[in-house]
Amino acid sequence: GNSVTQMEGPVTLSEEAFLTINCTYTATGYPSLFWYVQYPGEGLQLLLKATKADDKGSNKGFEATYRKETTSFHLEKGSVQVSDSAVYFCALRANNLFFGTGTRLTVIP
Amino acid sequence: ETGVTQTPRHLVMGMTNKKSLKCEQHLGHNAMYWYKQSAKKPLELMFVYNFKEQTENNSVPSRFSPECPNSSHLFLHLHTLQPEDSALYLCASSQERTAIQPDGYTFGSGTRLTVV
Repeated sequence: GNSVTQMEGPVTLSEEAFLTINCTYTATGYPSLFWYVQYPGEGLQLLLKATKADDKGSNKGFEATYRKETTSFHLEKGSVQVSDSAVYFCALRANNLFFGTGTRLTVIP
Repeated sequence: ETGVTQTPRHLVMGMTNKKSLKCEQHLGHNAMYWYKQSAKKPLELMFVYNFKEQTENNSVPSRFSPECPNSSHLFLHLHTLQPEDSALYLCASSQERTAIQPDGYTFGSGTRLTVV
C-alpha cells in the first residue's frame, strides 16, 4: 500500500539553525512527492514537490530531493527564521494524496 | 487566499443538530476532496469527487453525507455527530489530468468543528 512516515517532532531550533525533517515513503509505482506547510489557524499550503527520482523541489529556501533508492524525501533549510514556525507534512500522490502525521517546527529568536 | 474557500471557519454543534460545511473553489479544478484533521493523527481522506461523481468513500460513518452539485461546490452535511468527530475539516481541489504526473491539491483554511 501507500504510506508516508515522517519524524514526529516537535522540533525546536534557534533562528539561523539548519533544519532537516526526515520523510520516507512506501508506494506501489512511482508517486509524486510533496511537502506541505500549515501555519497556525490555516489550511495546508503546498511548499514544494518532485515528480520523479532525483528531482529536487525547492521554494522559500527549503529543498527536498526525491531519492528512489532510499525511498526518502527529506526536507532541508540552511537557515530557519521565526516565520518558518509551522507544521510540515510530507505527502505522496499515487491515486490520491497520502500524508504523514506532520512535524511541528518552532523557531526561537 | 488559495482559491478554495470554506465556510464557516468555526462551528459548535450539539449532538442532535444538523449542520452543513461548505467549500467553493475558484480555480477551475474538476476534483474536490474532504479531509479530516485530528490531533496526533494523519490527515484522513474522507470523500473524493471527480467530475462531480463520488469516486471514493473511505468507510466514513453515514452521519457524514457529502454533496457535490457542480465542480465548484462541495458540501458536507452533518447530523447526530459524536464528540470524537470534533476536528478540523479541510476541503481541497485539484485538476485531474490523464497521462500526466499527478499534481498536488489546493486546500482551504478549514472548518474547526466542535461537537458538544
